[in-house]
Amino acid sequence: DTEVTQTPKHLVMGMTNKKSLKCEQHMGHRAMYWYKQKAKKPPELMFVYSYEKLSINESVPSRFSPECPNSSLLNLHLHALQPEDSALYLCASSQGNSGTDTQYFGPGTRLTVL
Amino acid sequence: AQKVTQAQTEISVVEKEDVTLDCVYETRDTTYYLFWYKQPPSGELVFLIRRNSFDEQNEISGRYSWNFQKSTSSFNFTITASQVVDSAVYFCALSEHRGGSEKLVFGKGTKLTVNP
Repeated sequence: DTEVTQTPKHLVMGMTNKKSLKCEQHMGHRAMYWYKQKAKKPPELMFVYSYEKLSINESVPSRFSPECPNSSLLNLHLHALQPEDSALYLCASSQGNSGTDTQYFGPGTRLTVL
Repeated sequence: AQKVTQAQTEISVVEKEDVTLDCVYETRDTTYYLFWYKQPPSGELVFLIRRNSFDEQNEISGRYSWNFQKSTSSFNFTITASQVVDSAVYFCALSEHRGGSEKLVFGKGTKLTVNP
């Protein structure tokens, strides 16, 4: 069963709020990813965790803080966001971090920053 | 640097027509992987196919087929007898090895609208 779940589905927050996005997979995958997708654009990679360690950070501003508590869970902590951070945030997982491994995506969280 | 080009921004067809989505890629790697994903209006990216650079066999899955041609660096996707449910944005992607992890390089996507 290739399923990645994300909560919440929608989130509206003010610029002074602190919130978190959650991603979970139960496929035994060891790599997890956060992507940001603006309207009519392709997904942009933000972070990659491989075996619970951060392996890629695509120069993302510090107001986005990822956390991987265990191999099944990935969080994205949000603080002091800007309106331009409004986007669809997608989580993905893959068996490992090799190019042979397909990334499976969750349904995303639609974030609006007021 | 790796690059994926999907020259068709939007395509509109009538149900039951065949439609081909183009994908051209650039890479210096000898081993690489190509992917197609579908993104319906709900937002979830749905995996369709993965192809490695050593396997140039065309693939068919129901109404979907893929034509991989290394000589022209293309990996095109054809939907036969399109249906309204095929309406979505389709992304072609290429794997890029970076810092011990793989990164997907996406094309800009092709929005397909299938009209009844």
